[in-house]
Amino acid sequence: AQSVTQLGSHVSVSEGALVLLRCNYSSSVPPYLFWYVQYPNQGLQLLLKYTSAATLVKGINGFEAEFKKSETSFHLTKPSAHMSDAAEYFCAVSAGIGGYQKVTFGIGTKLQVIP
Amino acid sequence: DAGITQSPRHKVTETGTPVTLRCHQTENHRYMYWYRQDPGHGLRLIHYSYGVKDTDKGEVSDGYSVSRSKTEDFLLTLESATSSQTSVYFCASATGVNTEAFFGQGTRLTVV
Repeated sequence: AQSVTQLGSHVSVSEGALVLLRCNYSSSVPPYLFWYVQYPNQGLQLLLKYTSAATLVKGINGFEAEFKKSETSFHLTKPSAHMSDAAEYFCAVSAGIGGYQKVTFGIGTKLQVIP
Repeated sequence: DAGITQSPRHKVTETGTPVTLRCHQTENHRYMYWYRQDPGHGLRLIHYSYGVKDTDKGEVSDGYSVSRSKTEDFLLTLESATSSQTSVYFCASATGVNTEAFFGQGTRLTVV
């Protein structure tokens, strides 16, 4: 079984401040982890993904995430928030089981950026 | 960008009627998925497909069925729509195990 917990359904930061969105996962097999972003009235698009090659993963738009196995975490960060970062962010875990891929998403975190 | 289109984009239907949502992808992806998105629940998997005519249930499959007769098309059918099925439905596709999923724009379904 696999699951994802995103801590904080809403996060507010000031423009220029650090963005930290938290994600903890559980998986019975080595996981692949993803962060997706959803802008209003749009589908999800990939920000970054962890595939075991490196624990610090860099994504688009200045975001990065660090895989910490001991903490079962994959938190998303950005040093300086921009107004255009306001969106909903989803953490997801994927496990190929028996050759079939199943992806489980967290409930999402809405990021508000205050000017 | 991966070519994934959903149709219709918006639909209002009456309780008890059958509804079919269509997902079409032009990327020759093996895997396709249907999710529903509801406030406080994130995305929940309804059904997925790992090949033509190969489908399986997700976590919220009751009241839904799917079919995949061609690689590019994945249909979601609400057999008898209920108000609890009012939601935004997303289709996604992926090339293989543990790969990035590409999402469609979503279908907003309202059951009255």
